[in-house]
Amino acid sequence: AQSVTQPDIHITVSEGASLELRCNYSYGATPYLFWYVQSPGQGLQLLLKYFSGDTLVQGIKGFEAEFKRSQSSFNLRKPSVHWSDAAEYFCAVGRYSGGGADGLTFGKGTHLIIQP
Amino acid sequence: DADVTQTPRNRITKTGKRIMLECSQTKGHDRMYWYRQDPGLGLRLIYYSFDVKDINKGEISDGYSVSRQAQAKFSLSLESAIPNQTALYFCATSHGTGGQPQHFGDGTRLSIL
Repeated sequence: AQSVTQPDIHITVSEGASLELRCNYSYGATPYLFWYVQSPGQGLQLLLKYFSGDTLVQGIKGFEAEFKRSQSSFNLRKPSVHWSDAAEYFCAVGRYSGGGADGLTFGKGTHLIIQP
Repeated sequence: DADVTQTPRNRITKTGKRIMLECSQTKGHDRMYWYRQDPGLGLRLIYYSFDVKDINKGEISDGYSVSRQAQAKFSLSLESAIPNQTALYFCATSHGTGGQPQHFGDGTRLSIL
């Protein structure tokens, strides 16, 4: 079965500094990978997705992520964070296998704190 | 108006009660999902539905049931609620083949005393 690991439960970054959130996945085939962000009291908003093709994908709000098959990783990056980026970030892999399964398997999330 | 609407947004109830959480969407998507979120555990899939006649169990379906009343409506029921079902519940939708991005509602916070 597929799984997603986000090694960092909390990360604190100074405003204006760069950010990298780690995500490792386990999946038997080429994965469908996603990053979502959750602000307090809100649902999840899609930041970006990877299905195939270019391994560096661009998303909304200035985020990007790089798919590295050899490392089973899909790390999220942003060159300069803003206070409004403080939120919970979830990495997810699609359960879709062509055999009828669907839905997403999520990591446990990384809580991002922005210091002034 | 929100594309994916969940009602109620908050609910407090007692052990043993029957609870129904409702989800409706205006996106025209064929696939709908229910997840629960617990602190430190991320989101876990409860049930999903490809269309009105096709409903499937997810990772943690025990203690839950669902109904797809129409393409736009997908309800989650707890027949006899227990305290460890206290969680934040999310409905989501997607379109087309599997693996497409999902669009989430704002969640229902359920507390079972």
